[in-house]
Amino acid sequence: EDKVVQSPLSLVVHEGDTVTLNCSYEVTNFRSLLWYKQEKKAPTFLFMLTSSGIEKKSGRLSSILDKKELFSILNITATQTGDSAVYLCAVELGSQGNLIFGKGTKLSVKP
Amino acid sequence: GAVVSQHPSWVICKSGTSVKIECRSLDFQATTMFWYRQFPKQSLMLMATSNEGSKATYEQGVEKDKFLINHASLTLSTLTVTSAHPEDSSFYICSARDDRLPYNEQFFGPGTRLTVL
Repeated sequence: EDKVVQSPLSLVVHEGDTVTLNCSYEVTNFRSLLWYKQEKKAPTFLFMLTSSGIEKKSGRLSSILDKKELFSILNITATQTGDSAVYLCAVELGSQGNLIFGKGTKLSVKP
Repeated sequence: GAVVSQHPSWVICKSGTSVKIECRSLDFQATTMFWYRQFPKQSLMLMATSNEGSKATYEQGVEKDKFLINHASLTLSTLTVTSAHPEDSSFYICSARDDRLPYNEQFFGPGTRLTVL
């Protein structure tokens, strides 16, 4: 059975801290791995990763994929209260392009 | 660009009634639309995949006669929850994709909160 596992499930940090969110997966037909940020409504896209070892960066956020060990990490440096959200990891399957989501990591950044 | 809307954004209904949720791609053509359900503190779970003009493909455990999906045009898909019960109360999110583009990212709608009394 295809599955995506995220850890930790929740995390509380203070502003300025750096956090690392983990996502491991076991799927039969991997196409890509995606990270989303979900606040109150639908997820907003952060990164799509298809190749191992190539870091994607956007401001204070960065992510990397290891296709050999089947995991990805999302780093957030110098966290701000606006980073508080649930961060979802999803794996896109190669057949129909369906997404399988992890349960998410709820990040709370305290002032 | 790539905006997906959902209507209504929230709905409250009585048990036994049917509720229709619309998902529209506003500025692109969606050859494929996906419907997800998210229970509180749970992740998004794919319910079904629909391609324009053909029958939807449902995930295991999702009743196709209860969750009717129609994708009649390249910009509109509807999900009808028939004979809704309190356990159907959830957050329903659609996403849309144009498979003809080289990088076929899914764009998510804002979601519909369904509460069945």
